[in-house]
Amino acid sequence: QSVLAQPPSASGTPGQRVTISCSGSSSNIGSNTVNWYQQLPGTAPKLLTYSNDQRPSGVPERFSGSKSGTSASLAIGGLQSEDEADYYCAAWDDSLYGYVFGSGTKVTVL
Amino acid sequence: QVQLQESGPGLVKPSQTLSLTCTVSGGSISSGGYYWSWIRQHPGKGLEWIGYNFYSGNTYYNPSLKSRITISVDTSKNQFSLKLNSVTAADTAVYYCATAPGYCSGGSCYGGVYFDYWGQGIVVTVSS
Repeated sequence: QSVLAQPPSASGTPGQRVTISCSGSSSNIGSNTVNWYQQLPGTAPKLLTYSNDQRPSGVPERFSGSKSGTSASLAIGGLQSEDEADYYCAAWDDSLYGYVFGSGTKVTVL
Repeated sequence: QVQLQESGPGLVKPSQTLSLTCTVSGGSISSGGYYWSWIRQHPGKGLEWIGYNFYSGNTYYNPSLKSRITISVDTSKNQFSLKLNSVTAADTAVYYCATAPGYCSGGSCYGGVYFDYWGQGIVVTVSS
């Protein structure tokens, strides 16, 4: 059971905005920065956002991360077919003294 | 741009030691600036952080695996490695090497909170 809770699935039609939530606690999201990873089928994960809301070079602006208290969100604006993937939130956990990943959310483009 | 490539046996027998190597290109392990990391993914499951090494000897391991793992770096070969002892079927997974930006100064280390470069992953099956 993951320390960071995510909904197992989310979906939308092309062009729609989809938001994925990530719920944690004071020892992880509440006191550390949150990162999001995208994993396309059969490939390695890719860093999508870091330090709560920063995008690495090359990541489209339609991906945006945010954090409030002990929760975080990833928004995908203008959903595209190539966004169909698994998405994971992650953060350092001060209590576990380790890096923890969320349970993952599978995004389907209808 | 850093590139990573995992290598090692795809099949390991129960109770033996799993040994994997990650070869780094496009950057030098000894230049600092990164935690050299291992992450795994059980079949059909999510991601699990195994641990990382900041080449200077500073290592950080997943508490649930700490008694069985060693992550070391070989600056002469520009490689880092993972050893996981006493494996069972529960260690069957895709193993990824990755980098996490960070630095160490004055005996303390910072960063290591996100993974920016990843290898393609290597499938390891534990079975007799």
